[in-house]
Amino acid sequence: AQKITQTQPGMFVQEKEAVTLDCTYDTSDPSYGLFWYKQPSSGEMIFLIYQGSYDQQNATEGRYSLNFQKARKSANLVISASQLGDSAMYFCAMREGTEGAQKLVFGQGTRLTINP
Amino acid sequence: DAMVIQNPRYQVTQFGKPVTLSCSQTLNHNVMYWYQQKSSQAPKLLFHYYDKDFNNEADTPDNFQSRRPNTSFCFLDIRSPGLGDAAMYLCATSGGNYNQPQHFGDGTRLSIL
Repeated sequence: AQKITQTQPGMFVQEKEAVTLDCTYDTSDPSYGLFWYKQPSSGEMIFLIYQGSYDQQNATEGRYSLNFQKARKSANLVISASQLGDSAMYFCAMREGTEGAQKLVFGQGTRLTINP
Repeated sequence: DAMVIQNPRYQVTQFGKPVTLSCSQTLNHNVMYWYQQKSSQAPKLLFHYYDKDFNNEADTPDNFQSRRPNTSFCFLDIRSPGLGDAAMYLCATSGGNYNQPQHFGDGTRLSIL
């Protein structure tokens, strides 16, 4: 079974609109973390935002916020006031447990295109 | 700025000719990871070093090896590259705090002729 599912292969959004990228996850570990990364066409992976399973509040980082619904096992990324530079591939990833190396499992990604 | 640096940015090699990709870090992180990412796919973890301890993923082909001579450097060796090994190879690091993100290098894009 997929541990991380991103159901939107591609999304097209008008500049300045808000956009939500979906991510659902599957784990039986009570301690886990969820990460969102942005990957432009140049290839580097850029960290955007993190949500821990025990965090009481939804994470926010500038224009990025995470809509964390623990009971539904979803961790959707919200980008407010989208910009042309937001066009990229976006990956949701999960880390299970707190011991040892921080191994990540990635979803298949969503390609976001911002139209002027 | 502390960072993760991968060299070269682009690498072309011949079918069957050994190739080495390098990664260095100034973050002093104890864990270093190597991922393979094929076109339009998610990154796939090949292996990682936790300090000097090497940890291989179960489905990583024997053709892929790694070395970590010190904290700062880690190498990915592909002994006999096949056409299917053409991909982006990403190096990442993490420290001891489990809620901190992995830091990625810019990647090496490997082409096989």
